[in-house]
Amino acid sequence: DAGVIQSPRHEVTEMGQEVTLRCKPISGHNSLFWYRQTMMRGLELLIYFNNNVPIDDSGMPEDRFSAKMPNASFSTLKIQPSEPRDSAVYFCASSDTGQIYEQYFGPGTRLTVT
Amino acid sequence: AQSVTQLGSHVSVSEGALVLLRCNYSSSVPPYLFWYVQYPNQGLQLLLKYTSAATLVKGINGFEAEFKKSETSFHLTKPSAHMSDAAEYFCAVIASGGSYIPTFGRGTSLIVHP
Repeated sequence: DAGVIQSPRHEVTEMGQEVTLRCKPISGHNSLFWYRQTMMRGLELLIYFNNNVPIDDSGMPEDRFSAKMPNASFSTLKIQPSEPRDSAVYFCASSDTGQIYEQYFGPGTRLTVT
Repeated sequence: AQSVTQLGSHVSVSEGALVLLRCNYSSSVPPYLFWYVQYPNQGLQLLLKYTSAATLVKGINGFEAEFKKSETSFHLTKPSAHMSDAAEYFCAVIASGGSYIPTFGRGTSLIVHP
């Protein structure tokens, strides 16, 4: 398997622009997580999907952030409008809840908002 | 509720020396415990996990960790550090029988000197 795939790997955008991050989980995994990593705040869980349904979105910072999972093989995280404080590395991870919860992380998307 | 504390944001060792990275957890139910490693510009990858079987768990790259319930600890060790072990290490906990959402520690940066 190719592992968790994220695109783009790097994104540079101007404040106010819409940003869409994409994730393809490992085939057969039924849980998907979006994380944000910064030096100041460490690794933060943004949202968790199980069987394509959002289960916990309490970590989504504000209404500017939204996430969807239209099917088992694709998810998006959208920021609209983007702000400089959104600059971070965003990770997608998937897991198979039959495998005692271990997570498989993608390589991340490094977002820079100027 | 569950939480993880990693003692020391940075640990520095000489090549060939013992590596000890500390992790203490809090969980109201028996936990599942994990150590992940993150190399520069990469996502997290699983080193090892404790899932209520043997208390001494062996992982990849010569690392191991011991679950000590009385001390609520899950410290990561390696007898002899290699330069290639330099990375960020994260401890994580999941409450068994609960949600599939892990709580990650803030991470410990391992620095290996030649």
